[in-house]
Formats: sequence, C-alpha cells, structure tokens
Amino acid sequence: SQELEQSPQSLIVQEGKNLTINCTSSKTLYGLYWYKQKYGEGLIFLMMLQKGGEEKSHEKITAKLDEKKQQSSLHITASQPSHAGIYLCGADRTGTASKLTFGTGTRLQVTL
Amino acid sequence: GAVVSQHPSRVICKSGTSVKIECRSLDFQATTMFWYRQFPKQSLMLMATSNEGSKATYEQGVEKDKFLINHASLTLSTLTVTSAHPEDSSFYICSAREIQNNEQFFGPGTRLTVL
Repeated sequence: SQELEQSPQSLIVQEGKNLTINCTSSKTLYGLYWYKQKYGEGLIFLMMLQKGGEEKSHEKITAKLDEKKQQSSLHITASQPSHAGIYLCGADRTGTASKLTFGTGTRLQVTL
Repeated sequence: GAVVSQHPSRVICKSGTSVKIECRSLDFQATTMFWYRQFPKQSLMLMATSNEGSKATYEQGVEKDKFLINHASLTLSTLTVTSAHPEDSSFYICSAREIQNNEQFFGPGTRLTVL
C-alpha cells in the first residue's frame, strides 16, 4: 500500500488561477518536505514543515502541515507558466531528516 | 540555497561496463548523502544512504555489490554501477543533507542508458 499519497495526480489550470495539492500520510510524520521537479531534472527544494499546524510561504506558494502531522497541502496563488512541473512531497519518518519517502507526485500544467 | 552537483548529467554505456556517478555538495559540508533512483513517470526510490567515512546503508532489495558507494569526503559521494545491464537504465539522483537545519538538497540527476 502507498504510505504517502498525493492528490491530484495531475492538474491543468489556467494561468492566474489558484490551486491546491495534497499529501496524505498513513502515519504521523516528523517532517514533510515539498519539492518541485521538471521532467528529467533534479529536485528543487521548496519548503520543509516540522511542527503540527505549521505554515510557510515563499512568493506565491504556501505549504501547511496539519496538527496531527499526517497531511500537508501546497497552495499556489495566481499560477504562472513557471509553476509548471511535478510537485513531490517527501516524508521524514525517522526524525533524523535522513530517509525520505516520496509521494507519487502531482504533475501541474499551466495553460495560457 | 545550497547547491549539489552531479557528474555526468547523462551517460550511455554498453552492457557489462561500469559507470561512476559523482555527487558533490558545492557550498556546504554533508556528512550524509543519499542516492535515489527514478524510473519514468514514477517517484523517487531511495537506494542507499552514504555516510562519510563509513560504509553505506542500503535499502532492502538494492544489491550493495552492484551499486558501490564511496563517501570519501564531506563534499563528495560516488555511486558506481558495476556490470551495468539495460534494466539499470534509470535516472539517478543524489541528495545531501545540510547539517545545520536538516534540509535535503538534490542534485540535477544523472540519466543512465545501458545499451
């Protein structure tokens, strides 16, 4: 069974629209990482969340971790073509920020 | 943010040969680096944890004699795919953990194609 699920699997939004990507774990997490990947390229670090209820923002991207530390959401405001890519959440289950278990990813396309 | 480089970015080799991939943390020291593999349209799967000055820790199902890892310094880890076969063709990505704040930074990846 998939321990870390992302939804939706893919998303097509019009430029300027808001969107939300969710990441749900079957177990409580020590930390949750969000990355962005363009096809065939490495991962770009977006944000790391460690505390229940924590929320972080960077430019037009906001990530939240719920109080139970089992669910996280990534929200993009006023999407732009540069936001297109694959968004991956990674879970730290050990508390040592070592092994990360990744979700299946959400493929985002932004249309003009 | 911290930068991690990988070399080469792309490699094509014949079946049976060995290929070495380098992962470097450019502006920070990393006692721990990680090697992931990603097949097309799939997520990243951790292969092994590379520890500076000690043996790597491999995930279940990953052959340590086939995927040799060496972490000789605080800024360099290498992954050698020995006797490569077509099924080893994949996208290999390394990451390095920054000691101070536990953030993991990823390299740009190496696409390996074994003919």
